[in-house]
Amino acid sequence: KAGVTQTPRYLIKTRGQQVTLSCSPISGHRSVSWYQQTPGQGLQFLFEYFSETQRNKGNFPGRFSGRQFSNSRSEMNVSTLELGDSALYLCASSTSRGLGTDTQYFGPGTRLTVL
Amino acid sequence: DQQVKQNSPSLSVQEGRISILNCDYTNSMFDYFLWYKKYPAEGPTFLISISSIKDKNEDGRFTVFLNKSAKHLSLHIVPSQPGDSAVYFCAATPPSSNTGKLIFGQGTTLQVKP
Repeated sequence: KAGVTQTPRYLIKTRGQQVTLSCSPISGHRSVSWYQQTPGQGLQFLFEYFSETQRNKGNFPGRFSGRQFSNSRSEMNVSTLELGDSALYLCASSTSRGLGTDTQYFGPGTRLTVL
Repeated sequence: DQQVKQNSPSLSVQEGRISILNCDYTNSMFDYFLWYKKYPAEGPTFLISISSIKDKNEDGRFTVFLNKSAKHLSLHIVPSQPGDSAVYFCAATPPSSNTGKLIFGQGTTLQVKP
């Protein structure tokens, strides 16, 4: 089975621009979660989508948004980029049977650099 | 407020010996814990998990121990191999949650010396 894929792998943007990142989950997985990894804050939860609905959201400003399509693929968008948004953005998918014990499998991440 | 803590930023062990990585948590209602391994420029790779109803789970060279009264879990790697050198993250699932949210510790960098 193919793993979680993320595109693009690397991205360079300037302040004020917006960016869209894409994530394709493992086949059959319906839940997609997004995380931001920075040296200072570690791995932080952004949001989770399940069946095209945002089911949970972390403590990030409204500039961070996402969506999920009917095929479970997900995108996240960051508008009005700031220097502090430079990070590795990770996507994870799980079967999400609703047991709270579903293992999340991560993609390779998108490295975003904001200049 | 760091709900999941890995107090040792780094650990160095000799090949063939045991590696013990530790993790503490503050919320006694966490009910599922996971360990991930991460190489630079890659996503975390799932290693092993444990439910709060158990105190031990084994998978090959990896064993996770959970001490609920101390709110502490540990990952044992025996024997350690140079390929185990990576950053290890513990993570917890918020209580009674059926949503895909994991709370991560800050990570411990393990170096296994040949």
